[in-house]
Amino acid sequence: ELKVEQNPLFLSMQEGKNYTIYCNYSTTSDRLYWYRQDPGKSLESLFVLLSNGAVKQEGRLMASLDTKARLSTLHITAAVHDLSATYFCAVIETSGSRLTFGEGTQLTVNP
Amino acid sequence: DSGVTQTPKHLITATGQRVTLRCSPRSGDLSVYWYQQSLDQGLQFLIQYYNGEERAKGNILERFSAQQFPDLHSELNLSSLELGDSALYFCASSVGGSNGPLIYEQYFGPGTRLTVT
Repeated sequence: ELKVEQNPLFLSMQEGKNYTIYCNYSTTSDRLYWYRQDPGKSLESLFVLLSNGAVKQEGRLMASLDTKARLSTLHITAAVHDLSATYFCAVIETSGSRLTFGEGTQLTVNP
Repeated sequence: DSGVTQTPKHLITATGQRVTLRCSPRSGDLSVYWYQQSLDQGLQFLIQYYNGEERAKGNILERFSAQQFPDLHSELNLSSLELGDSALYFCASSVGGSNGPLIYEQYFGPGTRLTVT
């Protein structure tokens, strides 16, 4: 059974600081997704990572994928309050179709 | 706006009752997925339909059932409701979704918040 683990689960950081969220998964996959969720809202797609070594950046967020290590990272640069949300990574097994989600990382950026 | 619509937005009902949640996928998408988000279980996959056929099943209770209609909209039926069924139910859609190395993205609807009292 595919397991996806994120850490940390809770992250409180100051504006202007950098931090990394980690996502480990337990079985072969070449498709990894990062989503953002604001309280009570839907899931907003941030990044789709489809191959080993893939790196994508959007604003202050950068995501990478290492399929050999079964690890993805979401790096936050110079955090701002608007980034406060819960971030999920999700994985689809090779030749599967369902998303298996991590537990989510609740990020709070304090002024 | 993802293009996926779900109705109703909120639903409050009593234990033992039955409800139906509705989802319309993005135009052109053939797959519909249902996910449940609760504090206890996190985000869990329930079931997938592809062009009217059930394609994959996850942690879906026997009291729950779903179907996808010829116009590709989908309904999730929840019966004999229990307090523990209170959750956010999301529908997602994608272009592909059949078995195989297709690469695609799932787009999520706004969700239906179900409260069972």
